[in-house]
Amino acid sequence: VVMTQSPLSLPVTLGQPASISCRSSESLVYKDENTYLNWFQQRPGQSPRRLLFKVSNRDSGVPDRFSGSGSGTDFTLKISRVEAEDVGVYYCVQGTKWPYTFGQGTTLEIK
Amino acid sequence: EVHLVESGGGLVQPGGSLRLSCVASAFTFSTSWMTWVRQAPGKGLEWVANINQDSSKEVYVDSVKGRFTISRDNAKNSLYLQMNSLRAEDTAVYYCVRDPYSSGGYAAFDIWGQGTMVTVSS
Repeated sequence: VVMTQSPLSLPVTLGQPASISCRSSESLVYKDENTYLNWFQQRPGQSPRRLLFKVSNRDSGVPDRFSGSGSGTDFTLKISRVEAEDVGVYYCVQGTKWPYTFGQGTTLEIK
Repeated sequence: EVHLVESGGGLVQPGGSLRLSCVASAFTFSTSWMTWVRQAPGKGLEWVANINQDSSKEVYVDSVKGRFTISRDNAKNSLYLQMNSLRAEDTAVYYCVRDPYSSGGYAAFDIWGQGTMVTVSS
C-alpha cells in the first residue's frame, strides 16, 4: 500500500490552522471493519510520538487542537491553531496490510 | 514510566553483521507485538520488522528479508534485531517500538525508544 502525503512542506503562521492530507493506494478498512491509519509527530531531534490512532482517536496528552478524519483511502490531520511546539515532521502510517507503510512525511514550520 | 532502550548500533563494513538489542520496562512486554522501525539520515520512517508475542510470527519488509532476523526473549523483556550482509542503504537510526494490540500489530506504535545509529561504510 502506497501512502502519499501532501503537502510535503507546510509553512504556517502561529495561531492559524493547518491541514495535512494522507492518501492510500488501497482501502485501509480491515476485515474487522476498523481502519488502521495512524498519525505521528517527530519534533526535531526526538523520536516519533503517536498523535492519533485508528483515524481519529487522540492519544493521552495530545492537545485537542489536533484532530483526524477520513475513511477508505483519504485521510486528514488538522491542527486548529498552530503553536510553536508543533514544529516538526508529521507522518501517517497504515497498519491494515503488510508491509506497514509510512507516508513521506510533512514538515511543518512557522512562517 | 514506560521505557524502551536500544543498544548495539555502531559502524560496520559492508557485508558485516550487527545485533541490536532493546530492553523494555514498566509494561508487560510479553503481551505486546514488537517492531523495529528505521530512519535513514534526513529521511522518513520505514517499518522494518514485527514479531508477535510468542515469536510464532515474524514479518519483514522485502528489502531486509533473508538478511535480518527479529527475535525476542520475554523472560528478559528484550527484543533483538540480527542484521547480516549489511549494505550502505541500511544506514539509519533503528527504533525499537511497541505495537500494542494483542490480536495483531496494526502499526499502532505507541511506545518508541530513543534509537540506535547503525552506519554501514568502509
